[in-house]
Order: sequence, then structure tokens, then C-alpha cells
Amino acid sequence: DVKVTQSSRYLVKRTGEKVFLECVQDMDHENMFWYRQDPGLGLRLIYFSYDVKMKEKGDIPEGYSVSREKKERFSLILESASTNQTSMYLCASSLDLNSPLHFGNGTRLTVT
Amino acid sequence: DQQVKQNSPSLSVQEGRISILNCDYTNSMFDYFLWYKKYPAEGPTFLISISSIKDKNEDGRFTVFLNKSAKHLSLHIVPSQPGDSAVYFCAGKGGNEKLTFGTGTRLTIIP
Repeated sequence: DVKVTQSSRYLVKRTGEKVFLECVQDMDHENMFWYRQDPGLGLRLIYFSYDVKMKEKGDIPEGYSVSREKKERFSLILESASTNQTSMYLCASSLDLNSPLHFGNGTRLTVT
Repeated sequence: DQQVKQNSPSLSVQEGRISILNCDYTNSMFDYFLWYKKYPAEGPTFLISISSIKDKNEDGRFTVFLNKSAKHLSLHIVPSQPGDSAVYFCAGKGGNEKLTFGTGTRLTIIP
């Protein structure tokens, strides 16, 4: 079974802090994704990566950056956290673009 | 622009009856659709998919129907069980493009 592990289940950060969300997958998947889930808005794609050191903007990349130095690890970075980035963040991976996504359990981030 | 729409934010169904969750899409290039199920405090899990070359795909209690002319798909769960209570997301994609998710429908099964 594919395992996607997000390092933190809950995080509380202050406005202006730099925040790192870490995600690791153990199935040698090419593609990795970061989504945020908000009530009434569903799952929105922030960034994705289809190879090491490669990244593509999703639908809502503003205020975020990503890093993929190793195939199994995909990090989401909030350069200067703001209260409107309070959300549930979900990492996912897939073997290829036509395979289903496998999600981690999410990180609930609160920015105060 | 919401390309995938789930117009019912919530749905309650009696245990043992049929649950029907609906999804509409606007992008005519979409050719592959998936349903995901999400419990609280867990990530979404893949449930069932359908390619646009089919109009029906079945897996146990779950059946997805696709009506391409109406740009509509639905998920049927028969019979509904308490463990089916969750949020259901539909998603669509075209070619090698990324998945676009709907806003989700919260299904509650009443014992």
C-alpha cells in the first residue's frame, strides 16, 4: 500500500512566520501535489511536481513555494504566513498523471 | 470558474437505501473522472473512476454513471451503510492535465 506521510497533523503559527510543511511518499511515485481544503471550496491545487527539482504552479500558488530535492519528499513553504492561509493542507502522490492520487492525512494549519 | 460542481453540500439517506451523489462539469475536454471519499481527520481515498469511453462503472456497492451529453456524473451507493458517512469529492481531468476537484458533498447515513 502506498503511504504518504505528512510530518505534522496540527500546526499553529504566527502571522509573518516562515512555515514548512513536509511530505514523504514511499512508493517511488513520479508526481507529488499540494492541495488545500476549505469549506465550500473543495480541494484546490497549490503546486505540483512531476520530477525531482521540477515544479508547476497550480490554481492558487500565491504566497506559497515548494521544494523537491529528492523524489520521495515534497515540501510546501509559506514564506510569510498570513491568517488567510489557515486551512487543511493535503499532500498527494501518483505514479503518473493518469493514476489516482494517494493522499496523506493532512496538516491543519492555524495562523494567528 | 468552477469547472466541477457538486451542487448539494449535504445529503442524508436512511441506512439500506440508495445514496445518489451528483456532479456536473463544464470542461468538454474532460475524459476521466474519479470519486474520492474523505473521513474527518483523514486524507481523501480513491473510490471509483470512469473513462469517457464508458457510461457506467461498477465496483461492489458503488456505481458511477456518466452522461457525456449532459456533462453529468453520479455516484450510486446501494445499499447505504453507516460507514459510508463521509464527504465525497468528484474530480475530472482531460488528457495529461491535472485533476480538478468539486466542492464536495457530505453524506450522512441515518441508522
